[in-house]
Formats: sequence, C-alpha cells, structure tokens
Amino acid sequence: AQSVSQHNHHVILSEAASLELGCNYSYGGTVNLFWYVQYPGQHLQLLLKYFSGDPLVKGIKGFEAEFIKSKFSFNLRKPSVQWSDTAEYFCAVSGNTPLVFGKGTRLSVIA
Amino acid sequence: GAGVSQSPRYKVAKRGQDVALRCDPISGHVSLFWYQQALGQGPEFLTYFQNEAQLDKSGLPSDRFFAERPEGSVSTLKIQRTQQEDSAVYLCASSLAGSYEQYFGPGTRLTVT
Repeated sequence: AQSVSQHNHHVILSEAASLELGCNYSYGGTVNLFWYVQYPGQHLQLLLKYFSGDPLVKGIKGFEAEFIKSKFSFNLRKPSVQWSDTAEYFCAVSGNTPLVFGKGTRLSVIA
Repeated sequence: GAGVSQSPRYKVAKRGQDVALRCDPISGHVSLFWYQQALGQGPEFLTYFQNEAQLDKSGLPSDRFFAERPEGSVSTLKIQRTQQEDSAVYLCASSLAGSYEQYFGPGTRLTVT
C-alpha cells in the first residue's frame, strides 16, 4: 500500500527565509508525485507535480521540488518565503488513480 | 471556466440523521473522486467514478456511506445514520480521462452533533 510521510507538522519562518518541507513516500512501482497547497479559507490547489523526466520540477509562485528516487523523497523548497505563503502544504502520491496524501505541514510566515 | 463546486458548504446533522452531499465536477471531466479530511489530517480517499461507473469504493469506511453518479456528471455522497466520527470535510475532485491531475472543490464541512 502507498503511504506518504511529511516530517514537519508546523513550520514557522520569517519572511525571506528559505523553506524546505520534507516528504517521503512508500510505493514499489512507478509513482506520480504532487504538492498541493491550501491557503486559509480556500480549496486545495496544485502547486507542482512530477510524472517523469527531470527530477527537479518547478511549480507556481517560485516553489520547486526534487524527486530523489533512491531516498523515496519529494521535498518542497522555496528560496525566500513571503507572508502570503502562509498555508497548509500537502504532499501526495499516486501509483494508480486515487491520491494518497500526507498529513500536511502548516507553514506560518511571520514578518 | 468554472471549477468543481460542492454543496452545501456547511452541514450540521444530528446523530442518526441521513445527509446528502453534492459535487458538480468541471464540465468534461470524466473522473470524479471523493475524499474525507478529518481535522488535522490529509484527505483520505473514499471512492472513484469514471463516468457513471464506480470503479473503486475501497475507501468508504462503512456501509452507511454510499456514492452515486447516475448520469456521469453530478455526484452525490450519502451518509446514512450519521455518527460523530463522520464529522469531517468531504472533498470532491475531478480530472480528465487518463490524467493524474485532480482539481478539488471547496469541500463540505459536516458536523455531527
């Protein structure tokens, strides 16, 4: 069975700090990997996705993630966070169609 | 264009009542998914439709949960004899045929008292 582990439950950063959110998954086959974001009061939105090819994927709003197959990881990064990045971030994996989500990481960016 | 819509946005039910939650997917999206998101958790898969066919219902927690999509468009998730543990946000997502990219609706927050 697929599973996703997000290491941090709540991360607090100052504006302009760099961000890295950890995500590890377990699945034996070919996976599709996603990061979704949920801003306060809004619905889940796709931030970026990896299906194949270049393991470094770039998403919206300056976010990127790197797929490291040997580590079963898909960590999310951003060089410099903004207050508007305050949100809940979910890593998800799909080996077939239904998505399996991690428990999420709440990011709070303070001025 | 219009995204996935869900109604109602909020529902309060007394324990033992039946509820019906509606999902309108993006027009032309063949696949439709229901997820349950408990407080402080990530969404968990409930069931999946391709057109009107329910291809996977392995995530439905009990036989009190029932989903349908009779015409391959709008879907309804029904929960019979609601229990307190059913309190959660119920998310609907849709996608194009063969696509792994799912688009989510705003969810219905169900509170069972």
